[in-house]
Amino acid sequence: QITLKESGPTLVKPTQTLTLTCTFSGFSLSTSGVGVGWIRQPPGKALEWLALLYWDDDKSYRPSLNNRLTITKDTSKNQVVLTMTNMDPMDTATYYCAHRNGDVYSRNWFDYWGQGTLVTVSS
Amino acid sequence: DIQMTQSPSSLSASVGDRVTITCRASQSISNYLNWYQQKPGKAPKLLIYAASTLQSGVPSRFSGGGSGTDFTLTISSLQPEDVASYSCQQSYSTPYTFGQGTKLEIK
Repeated sequence: QITLKESGPTLVKPTQTLTLTCTFSGFSLSTSGVGVGWIRQPPGKALEWLALLYWDDDKSYRPSLNNRLTITKDTSKNQVVLTMTNMDPMDTATYYCAHRNGDVYSRNWFDYWGQGTLVTVSS
Repeated sequence: DIQMTQSPSSLSASVGDRVTITCRASQSISNYLNWYQQKPGKAPKLLIYAASTLQSGVPSRFSGGGSGTDFTLTISSLQPEDVASYSCQQSYSTPYTFGQGTKLEIK
């Protein structure tokens, strides 16, 4: 059974760095084909993909946020960490981590999601 | 970035109705298209991947179709538990992008 859970601060100040941890079970990030992604959703708005990390440490980021995002993994702890620098009130959102699944044609989908964590950016 | 546009933005239908939601991509994405259901205060749930493949455990009243730029999500017989927001997502190229969502209510 695959589960994921996000953890981190609920409130950050503008210009601070946000660090979110996704702790998962039921799969290993050392297994070929496995990936974990981060997606966020501002209140009342659409989902927005942020980053994706694969088992082989390949990473991809949302270009408009590329210089602010870093995604890393700790395979021994079954964790993926997302850091976002220079936080702004516009970054207020629920942040989700999700298990990436896919096929040989590089079609990707997120089949298991964490419950999400609401991060508010305010002074 | 590939833009994903859903229609309608909201929809009200009766129990037992056939409901169709449309998603249009700003360029061809083959069948690199997924559908998610999201209930208030909950995480999204995968319904359909690769445009038409039903995720395990999802009721068979849900189906997906389309290829290229135009896609549909159909609920063959609307049930009360289907009240939710539905979003499409393309995985053809990064940044992966989602539609703005379609809010489905019971009439």
